Amino acid sequence: GENVEQHPSTLSVQEGDSAVIKCTYSDSASNYFPWYKQELGKRPQLIIDIRSNVGEKKDQRIAVTLNKTAKHFSLHITETQPEDSAVYFCAARYTGGFKTIFGAGTRLFVKA
Amino acid sequence: KAGVTQTPRYLIKTRGQQVTLSCSPISGHRSVSWYQQTPGQGLQFLFEYFSETQRNKGNFPGRFSGRQFSNSRSEMNVSTLELGDSALYLCASTQGAGGANVLTFGAGSRLTVL
Repeated sequence: GENVEQHPSTLSVQEGDSAVIKCTYSDSASNYFPWYKQELGKRPQLIIDIRSNVGEKKDQRIAVTLNKTAKHFSLHITETQPEDSAVYFCAARYTGGFKTIFGAGTRLFVKA
Repeated sequence: KAGVTQTPRYLIKTRGQQVTLSCSPISGHRSVSWYQQTPGQGLQFLFEYFSETQRNKGNFPGRFSGRQFSNSRSEMNVSTLELGDSALYLCASTQGAGGANVLTFGAGSRLTVL
């Protein structure tokens, strides 16, 4: 069945450093890859997404890359700030399956 | 525009009981998905509804069921509750017409089973 693996499970960085979270998906029919941020006690919220016909997308300090051949996609956060501390989830969806599968999450700590 | 509304926000049940959770999607959204969130397990897909039809279901036992009404509101039911059912249950809505649909989550219903 469809599966999304996410690494690392925990990531600690110094403020101003970069953070990278990596995901691998199993279903080659997946064509949409969103990333969600969940702050403590709050609901997950979309921060960036990428479609399968695009290799990279950037939004200010956040970027996502997609390698369809390897079925890998990654989230890059530059110049991290304490408010970036949260749990980040990658996900994969293919339209025909009518479901979005999430990775297990990465807890990011940004130390001031 | 009102967001996704879930009720109740918190509830405590005992083993063997059953529970019904409700989700009202964003106005105009026709697809509702349900997820179970537990520490370390991420978001586990339960089911997805569109226009009152279940289009997909995750790997959960038959004790977990759901439905969607003509106004797109959705309910999920868990019967014969077990301790392991304690979790945050999140619903999310999208327009659901296909393609890359952004999931907008509700605040969740936190279920504790004693």
